[in-house]
Amino acid sequence: DAKTTQPTSMDCAEGRAANLPCNHSTISGNEYVYWYRQIHSQGPQYIIHGLKNNETNEMASLIITEDRKSSTLILPHATLRDTAVYYCIVRALHNAGNMLTFGGGTRLMVKP
Amino acid sequence: DGGITQSPKYLFRKEGQNVTLSCEQNLNHDAMYWYRQDPGQGLRLIYYSQIVNDFQKGDIAEGYSVSREKKESFPLTVTSAQKNPTAFYLCASRGTSSAPYNEQFFGPGTRLTVL
Repeated sequence: DAKTTQPTSMDCAEGRAANLPCNHSTISGNEYVYWYRQIHSQGPQYIIHGLKNNETNEMASLIITEDRKSSTLILPHATLRDTAVYYCIVRALHNAGNMLTFGGGTRLMVKP
Repeated sequence: DGGITQSPKYLFRKEGQNVTLSCEQNLNHDAMYWYRQDPGQGLRLIYYSQIVNDFQKGDIAEGYSVSREKKESFPLTVTSAQKNPTAFYLCASRGTSSAPYNEQFFGPGTRLTVL
């Protein structure tokens, strides 16, 4: 599975949009981009995923560049409860065990 | 409510003792996973099971053992052979009906401290 690169930490003001970038320059054509987040001392929570089209759900939007080498997770109106570590994961459609490989993620701090 | 439960939330053990962490799910998921997380780090895969009575080693299986006798349960034993067992342990499950998407559902975790 392709490796991802994310900033270690980011700050965002409450009520503003949080834009979390992820680079995955070695992504293959059959690999999806997944985003999970982990609030302190809890299990990770699935947010969204995409292949090449932009995606939106009740939690966030995912913008994938045309060359698929990078993506951005957007939380449109960040709240204090969005403070968490956000993981960008790229995985093949079929890998043994359908495993996810978690990197260090981005620690997002939403401030009042 | 459907979900994944892990117990206990906090666990303390003396060095040299084996300890078993519980993971139960009522989501009717076929696949289950165990991860380890150290402070400030991402998750690392210990073991996974795609079906009852079958399991595979992950990236850091040494010093751990698992069993999958029932679909709902995937207990993890941390043995005395594990050099640094103090960590946060997370269990996850995934239903094959969600394929090809890979949404794993995670439990609340067990924080193990070996004294």
